[in-house]
Amino acid sequence: EPEVTQTPSHQVTQMGQEVILRCVPISNHLYFYWYRQILGQKVEFLVSFYNNEISEKSEIFDDQFSVERPDGSNFTLKIRSTKLEDSAMYFCASGPGPYSNQPQHFGDGTRLSIL
Amino acid sequence: GNSVTQMEGPVTLSEEAFLTINCTYTATGYPSLFWYVQYPGEGLQLLLKATKADDKGSNKGFEATYRKETTSFHLEKGSVQVSDSAVYFCALDLGSRQLSFGAGTTVTVRA
Repeated sequence: EPEVTQTPSHQVTQMGQEVILRCVPISNHLYFYWYRQILGQKVEFLVSFYNNEISEKSEIFDDQFSVERPDGSNFTLKIRSTKLEDSAMYFCASGPGPYSNQPQHFGDGTRLSIL
Repeated sequence: GNSVTQMEGPVTLSEEAFLTINCTYTATGYPSLFWYVQYPGEGLQLLLKATKADDKGSNKGFEATYRKETTSFHLEKGSVQVSDSAVYFCALDLGSRQLSFGAGTTVTVRA
């Protein structure tokens, strides 16, 4: 079965540095997402991406964050000037078009630790 | 707004016990409802789903029925195993493709 793959599995970064989290969505999916799960808390939506632009974003997704699909396969989340509170598990997901009943498929996540 | 409320955990059970995790939702329309499971050290996996009222989702012995009248989607399993130990998340999607998750319920099954 096709999978969403995320790299790296664990990223350790100094506060203030930039970090890029990478995802390879399922190849025939059209929608891409990033979610965040701070340790012990619920999974929170960050952003959705469709047709090479942001479709929706949450309050969490401020100017510190950006997403990009630099080529036909990768989908990245960039966090500029990281803060301690950015430490979390970041999940990428992909799904088919908006009118499908098929669910989103999630990657295994990248654990981001800000020191 | 749209939200999901889950039974708080943690829940600890013995093997072969009956498991119920309550989930209720608030939504302005008619959402699709999901249960996702997160095993230790792993990502989120879809466990089951239901897209309209009275639908029953089932997988791996788990079941949940979409109850519009009570706005609920409770997860049940008749006989749990140690391998069912995980965090379970209820979630809804109103078609925007933005999933709203509950807080998660940690389930531990003892041999």
